[in-house]
Amino acid sequence: KAGVTQTPRYLIKTRGQQVTLSCSPISGHRSVSWYQQTPGQGLQFLFEYFSETQRNKGNFPGRFSGRQFSNSRSEMNVSTLELGDSALYLCASSIQGGGNQPQHFGDGTRLSIL
Amino acid sequence: GESVGLHLPTLSVQEGDNSIINCAYSNSASDYFIWYKQESGKGPQFIIDIRSNMDKRQGQRVTVLLNKTVKHLSLQIAATQPGDSAVYFCAEPYTGTASKLTFGTGTRLQVTL
Repeated sequence: KAGVTQTPRYLIKTRGQQVTLSCSPISGHRSVSWYQQTPGQGLQFLFEYFSETQRNKGNFPGRFSGRQFSNSRSEMNVSTLELGDSALYLCASSIQGGGNQPQHFGDGTRLSIL
Repeated sequence: GESVGLHLPTLSVQEGDNSIINCAYSNSASDYFIWYKQESGKGPQFIIDIRSNMDKRQGQRVTVLLNKTVKHLSLQIAATQPGDSAVYFCAEPYTGTASKLTFGTGTRLQVTL
């Protein structure tokens, strides 16, 4: 069974631009969560989607948004990019979500802002 | 908010020795914990999990111990190998319905030959 797939693996953008990241969950998984990983802040939860609905959101500004499609694939969008948005963005999927099952991660998209 | 933290940022062990990585959690209502391994350039990889009705769970070369009294977790790796070199995180799921993990800061395990 294929794992979580994130595209692209690397992105370079400049301040003020916007970016869209893509995540394909493990087949049969309906919950997709997004995390930001930086050396200073560690792994921080961005948001979770389940059945095309955002179910929970972390403490990030509204510039960070996402959506989920009927096939459970998810996209994350960041608008008006700032230097501090440089990070590894990770996507994780689980069968139904909730706090009693593991999430499985992709290898992330490395976003660099110049 | 609640947090999950690690005691040691870097652990250096010799190949063949056993490794112990510790983690403290603060939410006494948490009933499920996960350990992840993250190698350079990759995403976190699920290693093992444990529910609060257990004190110990064993996997292949790994054992997780849970002490609910002092809110402490540990990950034991037997006969540590060079391939075990990575950053290890404990994670605590949100106690609600969402799939939201709170991660500790991570411990880097360095295996020396």
